[in-house]
Amino acid sequence: DVKVTQSSRYLVKRTGEKVFLECVQDMDHENMFWYRQDPGLGLRLIYFSYDVKMKEKGDIPEGYSVSREKKERFSLILESASTNQTSMYLCASSLIGTDTQYFGPGTRLTVL
Amino acid sequence: GENVEQHPSTLSVQEGDSAVIKCTYSDSASNYFPWYKQELGKRPQLIIDIRSNVGEKKDQRIAVTLNKTAKHFSLHITETQPEDSAVYFCAAKVVGTASKLTFGTGTRLQVTL
Repeated sequence: DVKVTQSSRYLVKRTGEKVFLECVQDMDHENMFWYRQDPGLGLRLIYFSYDVKMKEKGDIPEGYSVSREKKERFSLILESASTNQTSMYLCASSLIGTDTQYFGPGTRLTVL
Repeated sequence: GENVEQHPSTLSVQEGDSAVIKCTYSDSASNYFPWYKQELGKRPQLIIDIRSNVGEKKDQRIAVTLNKTAKHFSLHITETQPEDSAVYFCAAKVVGTASKLTFGTGTRLQVTL
């Protein structure tokens, strides 16, 4: 059974702080994704990675960066958190050659 | 890039009735169309998907139809039950984009007793 975990379920940070959100999957998936989920806007792709040290911008990459140093771990970084980054962040992974994405439980981030 | 529109944003049906959620996509190169269900407080999970070489797919009470000419696809749930209450997301994948999905904005389905 695929397991995708995220480091925190809830996180509260202050404006200007550097924030790290971590995602780990245990199924040796090559592809990993970061989305943010906002009411009425659905799931919007921030960044994705199809291999270690590889990354591609999604639809809303501004204000975010990512790191993938190991295959199982994909980190989302908010260099200087702002209030408009308050959101639910979802990580997902998929096996190369397949299209099914498996999601983590999400991190609800509040930036004050 | 790909754009996916989803309607309606909310849908309320009585238990036992059918529910239909519709999505349109913009990129004719899209070839994969999954549907995810997200129950309250839970993670999204794939419930059914369809590829562009198929017009319809069924899995028990759930079916998905695809009209490539019109660039739209729909989710049909028959004999709805309270446990079908959730937010449903459609998505589309453009061929050759490494499993990158573009999601619709979601439909909140409420099944009332």
